[in-house]
Amino acid sequence: GAGVSQSPSNKVTEKGKDVELRCDPISGHTALYWYRQSLGQGLEFLIYFQGNSAPDKSGLPSDRFSAERTGGSVSTLTIQRTQQEDSAVYLCASSLAPGPGELFFGEGSRLTVL
Amino acid sequence: AQSVAQPEDQVNVAEGNPLTVKCTYSVSGNPYLFWYVQYPNRGLQFLLKYITGDNLVKGSYGFEAEFNKSQTSFHLKKPSALVSDSALYFCAVRDPGGQAGTALIFGKGTTLSVSS
Repeated sequence: GAGVSQSPSNKVTEKGKDVELRCDPISGHTALYWYRQSLGQGLEFLIYFQGNSAPDKSGLPSDRFSAERTGGSVSTLTIQRTQQEDSAVYLCASSLAPGPGELFFGEGSRLTVL
Repeated sequence: AQSVAQPEDQVNVAEGNPLTVKCTYSVSGNPYLFWYVQYPNRGLQFLLKYITGDNLVKGSYGFEAEFNKSQTSFHLKKPSALVSDSALYFCAVRDPGGQAGTALIFGKGTTLSVSS
C-alpha cells in the first residue's frame, strides 16, 4: 500500500488478556517506530527498529510490552496481561532514513481495556 | 538524553491574526527538529523540519519555524491564522550525535484553536 497500515483500528479487550497490534510500514522504509498516545500525555515513544540493528526498547513501559519486526518489514506490538492504564491509541510510523527523514504515521490502533 | 517541551497546552488566536506555537528542546549536539500536526480523528502529518542551514524553515500550509540555537527553541509560526488550522501540534527532536538509531522524541502537544 501507499501508506503505513495498522490493524486492528479498534480493539476492545478485557483486563488480563493479551493483545497484538500490527503495523505494515511503507515499502522500503528501514526505520519503524511505535508510539502511544494517551489523552493529555502526548506521544510516548515505545520502541524503535532501524534495519538489522538491535531495537531501541528504552520506551517500553513494562515487561508486559514487547515488539518484533520480521524480515525488516511488518512489526507486531504485543501487550500481555493488559491493564486499564494500557488503554490508548498505539501509533506506528516509518521513515526512509533514520536521521533527517520525516516519519509517516499510520492511523493508529485504539485499544480499550475494560 | 534528548527532550522537548511545549510549554502551552492550548493556544487561542483569532482568524487572520499571527500565531505562534512554542517549542524548546534539549540535546547534546546539533538537533534535527520537526513539527507535526494532528487533525481530529486523523493521523499525524509532517509539517516541516530543520536539519541544517537557514534558521528559518518553511513548510506546508503556510507554516514556518525558526531555529534559535542560543535559546534552544524551534517555535512554529504563521502570519495569518485560518480556522482550518485548528488542530493538535507536536514538536519533535532527534539527536543525530547520539547512539546509533536514536529515536524521534515528541513533546506533549499544543492544541491550537482559531476562532472566526
